[in-house]
Amino acid sequence: GAGVSQSPSNKVTEKGKDVELRCDPISGHTALYWYRQRLGQGLEFLIYFQGNSAPDKSGLPSDRFSAERTGESVSTLTIQRTQQEDSAVYLCASSPLALNYEQYFGPGTRLTVT
Amino acid sequence: GEDVEQSLFLSVREGDSSVINCTYTDSSSTYLYWYKQEPGAGLQLLTYIFSNMDMKQDQRLTVLLNKKDKHLSLRIADTQTGDSAIYFCALTSGTYKYIFGTGTRLKVLA
Repeated sequence: GAGVSQSPSNKVTEKGKDVELRCDPISGHTALYWYRQRLGQGLEFLIYFQGNSAPDKSGLPSDRFSAERTGESVSTLTIQRTQQEDSAVYLCASSPLALNYEQYFGPGTRLTVT
Repeated sequence: GEDVEQSLFLSVREGDSSVINCTYTDSSSTYLYWYKQEPGAGLQLLTYIFSNMDMKQDQRLTVLLNKKDKHLSLRIADTQTGDSAIYFCALTSGTYKYIFGTGTRLKVLA
């Protein structure tokens, strides 16, 4: 079946503009994660959604970052007033259950802020 | 917080064995994973081990866990050029939070 998809695959934006990144998880997966991967670095946890529970936003680096997910479907990550340090690959992953289950990753969105 | 360290680079010749290492600080880690990331792609789970195991073998892959030293390794036998990628270890402590290492870039020389 279809895996996790993300769009756009690449986004170049000017400093100060807002961007919206989209993640389509695998159907039926209740858990959804967003990560940030800076060049040459590991994955940085941003936010976690599980079903209709309140999301864990503890990894969001500033109030310019926000994310939404409606039920168990699509999620969007929004970055307002982008800065150059926001340049990174943003990865989305979904999982059938959060606890110790494999995460299925999308290909990521490469964001470049000029 | 949890700290997970990996060496950044590893270069091996085709046909040789590769050993990728990971050290961590949280002794309560219950599940330990190895993910592979090929260029332009997301991460793909290769294998995992429970904390009550010392070793797990899966075809060319061997995972070793030394809980005393908090050391996890991934051995790839008969390394092929298609194994060139970034390898991440990841840990959970029984919650939904996964902690990922910094990744090791494996380069396989023909």
